[in-house]
Amino acid sequence: DGGITQSPKYLFRKEGQNVTLSCEQNLNHDAMYWYRQDPGQGLRLIYYSQIVNDFQKGDIAEGYSVSREKKESFPLTVTSAQKNPTAFYLCASSIRSGGANVLTFGAGSRLTVL
Amino acid sequence: AQSVTQLDSQVPVFEEAPVELRCNYSSSVSVYLFWYVQYPNQGLQLLLKYLSGSTLVESINGFEAEFNKSQTSFHLRKPSVHISDTAEYFCAVSEMDTGGFKTIFGAGTRLFVKA
Repeated sequence: DGGITQSPKYLFRKEGQNVTLSCEQNLNHDAMYWYRQDPGQGLRLIYYSQIVNDFQKGDIAEGYSVSREKKESFPLTVTSAQKNPTAFYLCASSIRSGGANVLTFGAGSRLTVL
Repeated sequence: AQSVTQLDSQVPVFEEAPVELRCNYSSSVSVYLFWYVQYPNQGLQLLLKYLSGSTLVESINGFEAEFNKSQTSFHLRKPSVHISDTAEYFCAVSEMDTGGFKTIFGAGTRLFVKA
């Protein structure tokens, strides 16, 4: 079945450590996105990529980094510079439909900093 | 840049009662509007979308939303809710940016259906 796979589902990190969240899709979508979800704040865009080897900062990119070396993969690194990294992270990909992008989401990764 | 406002953070309702979840967006020339639903500890799923054409759009499970350009609203309605509709609902707008299309989400409305 086609879809988006995020791993790990749960992750614990000590302060000062970098951690990388995996996102893989087999939908043949060109665009991929990373969102951060906090209670009561909805989803905020971290980074997005429309094509391989190119990506753009979203609204809250500070303390995060990404790469897009393959169409199927868009990993997110949460660096030690991110002041409050505990959150639910959602990866999505999109296909153009009628001029707009319709998002397909993974199941998410919950990061907790101890 | 676009913004999305969901006016209610939580909506409790009894089973089989009607419900409306409100959503307003900032004005733009071209508007693409969406409702997504999220069940606990899962990702979001597309519920319905407005891209063009008829202002009333429907989902397969009985929800509908109406695009109202003059009021810049895209409220979600269901005439009779079920326990299984308990979830968080997000209104979203898609806009074109220098890096391509990106989607902006509202803060979400938690629908709680009581027996």
